[in-house]
Amino acid sequence: DTEVTQTPKHLVMGMTNKKSLKCEQHMGHRAMYWYKQKAKKPPELMFVYSYEKLSINESVPSRFSPECPNSSLLNLHLHALQPEDSALYLCASSQVAGGETQYFGPGTRLTVL
Amino acid sequence: RKEVEQDPGPFNVPEGATVAFNCTYSNSASQSFFWYRQDCRKEPKLLMSVYSSGNEDGRFTAQLNRASQYISLLIRDSKLSDSATYLCVASGGYQKVTFGTGTKLQVIP
Repeated sequence: DTEVTQTPKHLVMGMTNKKSLKCEQHMGHRAMYWYKQKAKKPPELMFVYSYEKLSINESVPSRFSPECPNSSLLNLHLHALQPEDSALYLCASSQVAGGETQYFGPGTRLTVL
Repeated sequence: RKEVEQDPGPFNVPEGATVAFNCTYSNSASQSFFWYRQDCRKEPKLLMSVYSSGNEDGRFTAQLNRASQYISLLIRDSKLSDSATYLCVASGGYQKVTFGTGTKLQVIP
């Protein structure tokens, strides 16, 4: 099973809402990632979790708050987002962080009104 | 200068053609390299890893040149289903993973 699942598939939220994106993998991977992808652009790394600890934060605004409750789950909590935050949010996992093949989930397409 | 650069294309090629993509990376600490393909409105999927000795998987051949800091992807006998955006990835060095800007390929009947 090389599947990474993400929910929801689509999300529309207002700038005052609080919502969460969820990601799950059951491959025993110990590294999980959040990426943001705008149209016609490559994925941009946001956060890396390694053994459930945040190891990289690519200077992401605090309105994005990641959480790794256990080795299989990764959440991204959203609060007070801006319209320019509308994008495809991709979760990925790999056996360990750095240098390993990453497996991507299908993404959550987020629209901020 | 971007850390990982690719020609954005689009590359429009006829079916059966051979097409090559190059990718340059600036971080000499990068240790692992990959090619992903991404279909429109889908997630990236691993196409192949890139090894120093070069590697081949069917119609696809990947090469790595560490001295010049570039990787390449060769696709032979292009199929319509090869139409996608091809992303190169450089990884390593403090767990950093950087995607290239992507090259769009359109295979024409």
